[in-house]
Amino acid sequence: DAGVIQSPRHEVTEMGQEVTLRCKPISGHNSLFWYRQTMMRGLELLIYFNNNVPIDDSGMPEDRFSAKMPNASFSTLKIQPSEPRDSAVYFCASSPRAGGGGEKLFFGSGTQLSVL
Amino acid sequence: AQKITQTQPGMFVQEKEAVTLDCTYDTSDPSYGLFWYKQPSSGEMIFLIYQGSYDQQNATEGRYSLNFQKARKSANLVISASQLGDSAMYFCAMRERSGGGADGLTFGKGTHLIIQP
Repeated sequence: DAGVIQSPRHEVTEMGQEVTLRCKPISGHNSLFWYRQTMMRGLELLIYFNNNVPIDDSGMPEDRFSAKMPNASFSTLKIQPSEPRDSAVYFCASSPRAGGGGEKLFFGSGTQLSVL
Repeated sequence: AQKITQTQPGMFVQEKEAVTLDCTYDTSDPSYGLFWYKQPSSGEMIFLIYQGSYDQQNATEGRYSLNFQKARKSANLVISASQLGDSAMYFCAMRERSGGGADGLTFGKGTHLIIQP
């Protein structure tokens, strides 16, 4: 049973370059979440989707960040242009259904992003 | 105001001792869920235990139990008979049910637990 799949596992890029992070949620899950983890700020929710529709992107730090979910099995988080302060671990997570406070989130392995 | 507060940035515990990791939360939503996740040095987020706000009994999962004190808005994680493999970051999180949509988890800053032999 495949879990949440993220790629790449590690990404090293130079300031100003475009970065695209990818996520495949667990099949049948209706909700998808993008989190960022840093030492200073901990785990922050960037955006989440319900049935492929973005519901709340208030956590997206700047216009340089964008996320899409073109279908139920794929999502991307794009940073353009990237900056050194974007260096962090980016997690994708999914959960079975909307509105269920008891539904746990299943996390991917994360993408370690380093912007030089 | 922080929604999830974990007051212990780090803890050292002797192997085989019981451990209590503190977590307090803040919400006006009558219906919510509380979660604990473990993050070992490898980085993955591992779900440990869940407590619903209306659950009458404290949740238990093997060596993990959740000491839920609703009036105090406290949801401490208890690990019995700690093992070296329990060394990791531990995060308390809350999911509120208001709004009808799929709200994400709000996480605390975490506690770094180190089990000593």
